[in-house]
Amino acid sequence: DAGITQSPRHKVTETGTPVTLRCHQTENHRYMYWYRQDPGHGLRLIHYSYGVKDTDKGEVSDGYSVSRSKTEDFLLTLESATSSQTSVYFCAISEGTSGGREFFGPGTRLTVL
Amino acid sequence: QKEVEQDPGPLSVPEGAIVSLNCTYSNSAFQYFMWYRQYSRKGPELLMYTYSSGNKEDGRFTAQVDKSSKYISLFIRDSQPSDSATYLCAIRTGANNLFFGTGTRLTVIP
Repeated sequence: DAGITQSPRHKVTETGTPVTLRCHQTENHRYMYWYRQDPGHGLRLIHYSYGVKDTDKGEVSDGYSVSRSKTEDFLLTLESATSSQTSVYFCAISEGTSGGREFFGPGTRLTVL
Repeated sequence: QKEVEQDPGPLSVPEGAIVSLNCTYSNSAFQYFMWYRQYSRKGPELLMYTYSSGNKEDGRFTAQVDKSSKYISLFIRDSQPSDSATYLCAIRTGANNLFFGTGTRLTVIP
């Protein structure tokens, strides 16, 4: 998985609770991404980062926030989890050059009851 | 209209068959074309990457891009049971904005 780890790998939580997912890379890549994958929708971009403290929204950012205080770590936070956020979450990294290839982590399976 | 359209399948073929997987896209600004393979409960794995029209071959895999028709294909020759997975096409314009198809689930029957 190209030097990318995600934690936790599985989580079950209740509606209304805050949840933080962590992505850690050892490749020193500039760009990091958070996607969610749902049946019928494929992979959709939530947020991405193009450097420490530099982040931007993706296609489905509502209800999510991110932070990147170090090159190697990118955190995704659900401030108040809802059942619609039950999904598989993938982190990806890229060197960030135009057309750069993205490499994905192993995923986090989140269930919100 | 979605940026990238992909037939979800499922597709089931006998071992040794040639498999053809396809995607269409709507934005002529797309420049970079990728195919990912995803095994069940795993992350997507980059399989093929190309940025020009024409064919790119890697072992049993061939990626084909037709920019004039906005159509990309992945061919798998001599398919093996280990090729059973979901295949995702992905297309981008630059450093950001990577758009994925919904994936085609392939089963290769021994």
